[in-house]
Amino acid sequence: DVKVTQSSRYLVKRTGEKVFLECVQDMDHENMFWYRQDPGLGLRLIYFSYDVKMKEKGDIPEGYSVSREKKERFSLILESASTNQTSMYLCASSRTGTSGGTGELFFGEGSRLTVL
Amino acid sequence: AQSVAQPEDQVNVAEGNPLTVKCTYSVSGNPYLFWYVQYPNRGLQFLLKYITGDNLVKGSYGFEAEFNKSQTSFHLKKPSALVSDSALYFCAVRDSNAGNMLTFGGGTRLMVKP
Repeated sequence: DVKVTQSSRYLVKRTGEKVFLECVQDMDHENMFWYRQDPGLGLRLIYFSYDVKMKEKGDIPEGYSVSREKKERFSLILESASTNQTSMYLCASSRTGTSGGTGELFFGEGSRLTVL
Repeated sequence: AQSVAQPEDQVNVAEGNPLTVKCTYSVSGNPYLFWYVQYPNRGLQFLLKYITGDNLVKGSYGFEAEFNKSQTSFHLKKPSALVSDSALYFCAVRDSNAGNMLTFGGGTRLMVKP
């Protein structure tokens, strides 16, 4: 069964702390994504990656960075967490069109981050 | 540019009645269309997709969706709703001419009452 695993389901951090959210997929997908989800705002794309060491900004990259050192792992980093980054964070992966993908995303279970 | 709209924030239906969750889209090429469901404090789960072929697509949990090219719609349907269908539903579109990115609608909350 295909799987996207997010390391932490629930985190509570303090303002100013550095936060790492880890995501691992076992499907050999080329593409990986980080979204945040807030009530009334739907899913908003933070960053995505088409390949190892490649990253592209999404719609709301400010305050975030990412790392993709290995194909299966995509990390989201909050350098200095702020209260307005309290949210549900969703990782997803997909196969590229050239390798038979249709764009279908496979999601992890989500990481709910609270910044106090 | 690709876009998708879910015109209803919430849909209420009685258990046993048919349900419809609406989705319309806009693309320049051919659309790849998807429905996802999200239960509380969980990630999104894939329900069904339309890529090509039959306009009526059947998916998980008894859901189906009808692709209507002239109306640029991809409404999600189920003949008989269950209380356990209560969740948040997202429609998404990918333009066949525009890379690998999905664009999501704002989501529709489905409430099925006993």
